[in-house]
Amino acid sequence: SQELEQSPQSLIVQEGKNLTINCTSSKTLYGLYWYKQKYGEGLIFLMMLQKGGEEKSHEKITAKLDEKKQQSSLHITASQPSHAGIYLCGADARGGNTPLVFGKGTRLSVIA
Amino acid sequence: NAGVTQTPKFRVLKTGQSMTLLCAQDMNHEYMYWYRQDPGMGLRLIHYSVGEGTTAKGEVPDGYNVSRLKKQNFLLGLESAAPSQTSVYFCASSYIRPDTQYFGPGTRLTVL
Repeated sequence: SQELEQSPQSLIVQEGKNLTINCTSSKTLYGLYWYKQKYGEGLIFLMMLQKGGEEKSHEKITAKLDEKKQQSSLHITASQPSHAGIYLCGADARGGNTPLVFGKGTRLSVIA
Repeated sequence: NAGVTQTPKFRVLKTGQSMTLLCAQDMNHEYMYWYRQDPGMGLRLIHYSVGEGTTAKGEVPDGYNVSRLKKQNFLLGLESAAPSQTSVYFCASSYIRPDTQYFGPGTRLTVL
């Protein structure tokens, strides 16, 4: 079965700094989804990447998909307190009706 | 559109008690999912449904039952609650597979 490993597990950054979160798959990635979860709340969809080399941006968050490396990265530029939360990646495990497989998440704290 | 809603938001049970969690979606989605989220374990799939009247087991189905009698509703039942079932439960839905999953706000369950 497909497994997703996220790194780092947690991250503390100073406001205004840039940061990167990685999501590495044990198998070929056919689709990669990024979600954000604010503490105590549900998951909010951020972006979906489907093609190798694809890059998408939403406000100050950019995600890229490297199919060869079976990896996706999420980059936040000039972090703000509103970026704090848990970021989870989800992947299309492929085959039948199998739902998405999720990583364990990266907990981001942004300090002033 | 309310999106995905979950009832209740919080619940405390005693060991051996039963309860049902209700998930409702108003987006006409075919697929619905129940996850549990525990510290250090990430999101784990309990059961899912690919359409009205269908259900399938996920990664951690033991101790839970589900029903999808109506397309818009997905019920998660605990017949005899155990402390190991203390968790935050999330419901999600998607139109097709694979596709963006939309999550509910979660139900925080404590079993004493």
